[in-house]
Amino acid sequence: EVQLVESGGGLVQPGGSLRLSCAASGFTFSSYWMSWVRQAPGKGLEWVANIKQDGSEKYYVDSVKGRFTISRDNAKNSLYLQMNSLRAEDTAVYYCARVEEILKGGAFDYWGQGTLVTVSS
Amino acid sequence: EIVLTQSPGTLSLSPGERATLSCRASQSVSSSYLAWYQQKPGQAPRLLIYGASSRATGIPDRFSGSGSGTDFTLTISRLEPEDFAVYYCQQYGSSFGGGTKVEIK
Repeated sequence: EVQLVESGGGLVQPGGSLRLSCAASGFTFSSYWMSWVRQAPGKGLEWVANIKQDGSEKYYVDSVKGRFTISRDNAKNSLYLQMNSLRAEDTAVYYCARVEEILKGGAFDYWGQGTLVTVSS
Repeated sequence: EIVLTQSPGTLSLSPGERATLSCRASQSVSSSYLAWYQQKPGQAPRLLIYGASSRATGIPDRFSGSGSGTDFTLTISRLEPEDFAVYYCQQYGSSFGGGTKVEIK
């Protein structure tokens, strides 16, 4: 059974940093692109970042470029999101998702339950 | 950057009715790369449709997707009580539309 479990969310002050983790199981993690998606309270979904299987390609939404870094450790079956210079508008539930590139054209076929990040003083 | 615009913002329907949701792209999108998701309150999104028209595993056949180029449609043939939710379209592993809420009339 495919499982994605996020952790690391919490309350942080504006300008602060936070590192989110996503533990993957039930599939060959190193064979898939992975992604982070966020959802501000009462708002829609916003794609944040993608990372290729070997970490050699990374893509970000413009609003987080230069502040967030996506990474992965295939030996640990883990995905990460390092978030620096956090702003109030980064407050959201952050989901990790598996990207099914080959069979489903880049659709996100499995999602974690999400972790809440609150940026506030 | 391709922008996806969903309409209507809210759809008020009764169980048993047909729901038609629209997703319009600011430039042409390959049909292979258009997906639809369902999200219920307090839950993670769930993949419904990929490749514009292929149902994901376990998705009932009352859900269907169609379209090409810049115009895509998600149709729910007969709404069941569990179908009242928010629906999002997405193109190739990145940007999402703003969502359509299907609510009980």
